[in-house]
Amino acid sequence: DTEVTQTPKHLVMGMTNKKSLKCEQHMGHRAMYWYKQKAKKPPELMFVYSYEKLSINESVPSRFSPECPNSSLLNLHLHALQPEDSALYLCASSQVLGQSYGYTFGSGTRLTVV
Amino acid sequence: DAKTTQPTSMDCAEGRAANLPCNHSTISGNEYVYWYRQIHSQGPQYIIHGLKNNETNEMASLIITEDRKSSTLILPHATLRDTAVYYCIVRVAFTGTASKLTFGTGTRLQVTL
Repeated sequence: DTEVTQTPKHLVMGMTNKKSLKCEQHMGHRAMYWYKQKAKKPPELMFVYSYEKLSINESVPSRFSPECPNSSLLNLHLHALQPEDSALYLCASSQVLGQSYGYTFGSGTRLTVV
Repeated sequence: DAKTTQPTSMDCAEGRAANLPCNHSTISGNEYVYWYRQIHSQGPQYIIHGLKNNETNEMASLIITEDRKSSTLILPHATLRDTAVYYCIVRVAFTGTASKLTFGTGTRLQVTL
């Protein structure tokens, strides 16, 4: 299995809702990442997990809460989002050692906050 | 990681070679050059990477200048499906701690009939 699977593909949520994005990989990668991408902009890093521990938080607002329950799964919990948080949310994974083929990205979750 | 500079956009006729340049004049000796592409509304896709030697795989070729200050991604026979934003990224090898992969603005390649 050489894929990163993200669910759901599309999500519409109200500003008072709580929802979660899910990301799964079975490539044995021990680093996982969340990126946010606004229209016509490059992806921006949000969080990095290394060996299931949060290693980088790019000053992301607390309404975004990441979780890495095991080495194959990464969640992003969403609460009290704003319309400007509408974006494509991308998950990626990678090896942690060596010069490898880089990151493998999922197809993303298209989030709309209403 | 070193900063990269790419043209904002390029056009290429289908069937022709697409040559996408990237400048990375501040690259360090232990930094690799990676290329990714992102087709509309999909996740970025790894294409190729290299340190100092030219590299080729089934998707593309990567030519790195001898001083390593610039590189060129070559798609030998571009097709309409190669229309995408291409990102050139410079970063160190993984060293036991996950680190950032930082995207620049990339080059929007339009392949036309």
